[in-house]
Amino acid sequence: AQKITQTQPGMFVQEKEAVTLDCTYDTSDPSYGLFWYKQPSSGEMIFLIYQGSYDQQNATEGRYSLNFQKARKSANLVISASQLGDSAMYFCAMRDNNYGQNFVFGPGTRLSVLP
Amino acid sequence: DAGVIQSPRHEVTEMGQEVTLRCKPISGHDYLFWYRQTMMRGLELLIYFNNNVPIDDSGMPEDRFSAKMPNASFSTLKIQPSEPRDSAVYFCASSLALSKAKNIQYFGAGTRLSVL
Repeated sequence: AQKITQTQPGMFVQEKEAVTLDCTYDTSDPSYGLFWYKQPSSGEMIFLIYQGSYDQQNATEGRYSLNFQKARKSANLVISASQLGDSAMYFCAMRDNNYGQNFVFGPGTRLSVLP
Repeated sequence: DAGVIQSPRHEVTEMGQEVTLRCKPISGHDYLFWYRQTMMRGLELLIYFNNNVPIDDSGMPEDRFSAKMPNASFSTLKIQPSEPRDSAVYFCASSLALSKAKNIQYFGAGTRLSVL
């Protein structure tokens, strides 16, 4: 079965510093996609970044990058130069071919950026 | 594009009443998903449609829940009769499948349902 683990329930980071949010996954399918979403206190789910299992390079989107270590089955999100507006819940999610279009979401990490 | 539009944003109802949640997906997207988010269970997929056809409804909790997608631009999630344990945030999401793996879902703002 698919599984996503996010071991950090909460994280603190100083404004302007970088932070890494951990995500490990489990799948038997060689073809899969990994996704990160941000959920601010207002409640909406915002797509941040995508990494495909066959992608040769780590994904980057502005201040977001994904540290993809396939052998370790980890897909950590790195946020550079943290801003106060980055304070939110962050969810890692995965889809593989075994489960159609079904996403599996991790439990999330609450990030608090300190001024 | 306006993004995925959900209505209402908030719904308060009494136990036993019928509740209908509405969703307008992003134009051109061929997948639509309904999720429920609670503190206890996190984000759970309830059902998803492809080209208006329900594909997987294994996440629908029970017969009190039903979902329809009469056309490409509209879907409803209905709970009848509602119960206090149905209180949650319900999200609708849509996507355009670029590949099996790269199918990025874009979420609506959610409907916060409270059943008293």
